[in-house]
Amino acid sequence: DAGITQSPRHKVTETGTPVTLRCHQTENHRYMYWYRQDPGHGLRLIHYSYGVKDTDKGEVSDGYSVSRSKTEDFLLTLESATSSQTSVYFCAISESTAATYEQYFGPGTRLTVT
Amino acid sequence: LAKTTQPISMDSYEGQEVNITCSHNNIATNDYITWYQQFPSQGPRFIIQGYKTKVTNEVASLFIPADRKSSTLSLPRVSLSDTAVYYCLVGDASGGSYIPTFGRGTSLIVHP
Repeated sequence: DAGITQSPRHKVTETGTPVTLRCHQTENHRYMYWYRQDPGHGLRLIHYSYGVKDTDKGEVSDGYSVSRSKTEDFLLTLESATSSQTSVYFCAISESTAATYEQYFGPGTRLTVT
Repeated sequence: LAKTTQPISMDSYEGQEVNITCSHNNIATNDYITWYQQFPSQGPRFIIQGYKTKVTNEVASLFIPADRKSSTLSLPRVSLSDTAVYYCLVGDASGGSYIPTFGRGTSLIVHP
């Protein structure tokens, strides 16, 4: 299995509090992604990174920010969590965005905002 | 970017062959077709990829007709452990502006 870890694995937080999720990889892959998964919506891309300090928005980026100060770490921050951000968050990595390169996913973080 | 359409859900029984078809009418010349599998409470994992004709590995087969406007993932003799969501992705092999888009996938439930 690809070396991808996510922390925390589970978190319950209150509306309005800041939350940071961490994705850590040991594969030295250039690309890292954050997705959220909700019933009826499948996997939706939040943000992705194509290198240190290089990030871009996905289809559901409102309310989220990201940072990547090292190749191995990609942080997702909810500045002020809302109940609509209750979801399962997956991090993924890949060597390239080219379709012939597969993505490797982390185990996921289940976030509940009360 | 090529848009894909696949059934939301399918049901099958143990031992049967399951075929999941994905439509991608505006597939481009450089595009490859990739399928991922996601078990409950896990992230998706790659299962198979192809460009044309047929590809087979230890998990599944992928059939792609000559016009490449659709593809069919075939799972032989499914078991309960094949219950999962299956995603069809179509993307540029050269990268470019392609970012993987998963959508809702097809939820396959295998019954005893």
